[in-house]
Amino acid sequence: AQKITQTQPGMFVQEKEAVTLDCTYDTSDPSYGLFWYKQPSSGEMIFLIYQGSYDQQNATEGRYSLNFQKARKSANLVISASQLGDSAMYFCAMRGFYGGSQGNLIFGKGTKLSVKP
Amino acid sequence: SAVISQKPSRDICQRGTSLTIQCQVDSQVTMMFWYRQQPGQSLTLIATANQGSEATYESGFVIDKFPISRPNLTFSTLTVSNMSPEDSSIYLCSVEYPAEEQYFGPGTRLTVT
Repeated sequence: AQKITQTQPGMFVQEKEAVTLDCTYDTSDPSYGLFWYKQPSSGEMIFLIYQGSYDQQNATEGRYSLNFQKARKSANLVISASQLGDSAMYFCAMRGFYGGSQGNLIFGKGTKLSVKP
Repeated sequence: SAVISQKPSRDICQRGTSLTIQCQVDSQVTMMFWYRQQPGQSLTLIATANQGSEATYESGFVIDKFPISRPNLTFSTLTVSNMSPEDSSIYLCSVEYPAEEQYFGPGTRLTVT
């Protein structure tokens, strides 16, 4: 079975500083994808970044980077130069490509990030 | 990326009634997914909707309670039937497009009184 673990229920970061949100995963699939989403109080799920298990390099998207350590089964999100608008819930998710997966995502419980001015 | 819209964005309904949520995508996609997010919780998959076949439901979700239609490659509906206050949640549809990237609609915030 696939599982995503986010151990930080809440995090605080000072504006303009970097912050790392932790995510570990468990899967028996040889090929899988890892996602991070941002959910502001409005409720929408905003796609941030994607990492395939076969990708050699860590994914980056603007101020977001994914620190992928396959041996440790971790996929931490790094946000550089935090902004007040980054305050939101952040979800880590995974999709398997084998074992009859239909493409749906398995989500962690989320981390609430608060950016202090 | 795919652009996804959902209707309604929010609604307040009385128990015992039903609500149909629409999900429209600007590209043709094979699979569409429906998720539920109860207050303060993470997302849980309700069902997977593949055009031309019956939806596949996850454990704990049944077709009589959450009937789904998928008439074409850009549209799907989810109905929440015979609602109770426990159905108060955010309901989100998502698609995988392009390959491997997954995007969500803006969600439908449902309150059942």
